[in-house]
Amino acid sequence: DIQMTQSPSSVSASVGDRVTITCRASQGISSWLAWYQQKPGKAPKLLIFATSNLQSGVPSRFSGSGSGTDFSLTISSLQPEDFATYYCQQANTFPALTFGGGTKVEIK
Amino acid sequence: QVQLVQSGAEVKKPGASVKVSCKASGYTFSDYYIHWVRQAPGQGLEWVGWINPNNGGTNSAQKFQGRVTMTRDTSISTAYMELSSLRSDDTAVYFCSSCSRSTWFKNDFWGQGTLVTVSS
Repeated sequence: DIQMTQSPSSVSASVGDRVTITCRASQGISSWLAWYQQKPGKAPKLLIFATSNLQSGVPSRFSGSGSGTDFSLTISSLQPEDFATYYCQQANTFPALTFGGGTKVEIK
Repeated sequence: QVQLVQSGAEVKKPGASVKVSCKASGYTFSDYYIHWVRQAPGQGLEWVGWINPNNGGTNSAQKFQGRVTMTRDTSISTAYMELSSLRSDDTAVYFCSSCSRSTWFKNDFWGQGTLVTVSS
């Protein structure tokens, strides 16, 4: 099974900060990586698919990069509505999926 | 617009079974796969399984094999996830999510979640 490891598990940041979250796969997953944002009591929301493709309606301050086993999600200028938990998810073994452990972005 | 509407919260005793439904609207049901994902209180997301509504084919995480059954009723555009032999650590919010057959790599639509509580 492919394991997905996110870091950090939490980060404290201020509005306007640049935040980068990383995700490492235990084996190569090509470019089949997605990022989701989840707020308390809500379903996850797709932000990025296939490593670097922005889902329709998602602000351009979100971006993704990487390949193989190492990936990252960057928020270029953190906004108040961005405080949430972020998950990476691999789809290389579709239909089986694996999620990372999550990264909580908190207000500093 | 695409919508996935799940059934309401459930409280079950250990050893019982629970069946959660996910009704789709706004698209052709057979054109989208359905995944089931769960989230225990304060924990991360965990993939449970998948169903192809077109032919009923399923796949589930190894830890749930033998306990999870996923079905669909195409006449009412509804997918179901039944989990048996419930334990306290099955207490979680269960989400359905969909991805189109052509963009299988992104789960762009999600249900609101169904809280399943297992308690004696």
